[in-house]
Amino acid sequence: QKEVEQDPGPLSVPEGAIVSLNCTYSNSAFQYFMWYRQYSRKGPELLMYTYSSGNKEDGRFTAQVDKSSKYISLFIRDSQPSDSATYLCAMSVYGQNFVFGPGTRLSVLP
Amino acid sequence: NAGVMQNPRHLVRRRGQEARLRCSPMKGHSHVYWYRQLPEEGLKFMVYLQKENIIDESGMPKERFSAEFPKEGPSILRIQQVVRGDSAAYFCASSPRGVLANTGELFFGEGSRLTVL
Repeated sequence: QKEVEQDPGPLSVPEGAIVSLNCTYSNSAFQYFMWYRQYSRKGPELLMYTYSSGNKEDGRFTAQVDKSSKYISLFIRDSQPSDSATYLCAMSVYGQNFVFGPGTRLSVLP
Repeated sequence: NAGVMQNPRHLVRRRGQEARLRCSPMKGHSHVYWYRQLPEEGLKFMVYLQKENIIDESGMPKERFSAEFPKEGPSILRIQQVVRGDSAAYFCASSPRGVLANTGELFFGEGSRLTVL
């Protein structure tokens, strides 16, 4: 079993849809949870950061962490074509050695 | 542009040659991380460095790979005697804070794409 699992997609949605992206993990010691967005041929950029369990909202993006289920989610409301990218979840025990999921490719169709 | 700078962006090497990838972190950042990304796979941690120190190299292959972050100049990831399996995108990231204080804010460069013929 991989340490962090993520559905690779591709996931195609119409513009304006609510998108749900998920990761599961096996290491219960993870405390720091991040979502990165990566456009084609570019480096990842941090979208959301959450420490321990709970929700965090930033504009159209909401991150949820459920440590009891070892499950994290990223929701994108009112999705736009510019949201088309690969979304990587990442997690860490001490904020040092970040473990990334393989990424989910999202296409938002106009 | 004060972002993380990586060069070269593309590098082609023949089997057995050496590859050197350079990374200049963001201004004020003293922590550097190297990751490798293969197609359809996530970023795989390789090494974490601070100035003149290797903090964690648990993701680095034991042979042929080395990394340094000297007091002056960029961080360098060196791959000796490259093989086809080394073909990948290598990303460098920097952060202003270290262990325990890091909030996940890794700032990534645009990557160096190595192709081994």
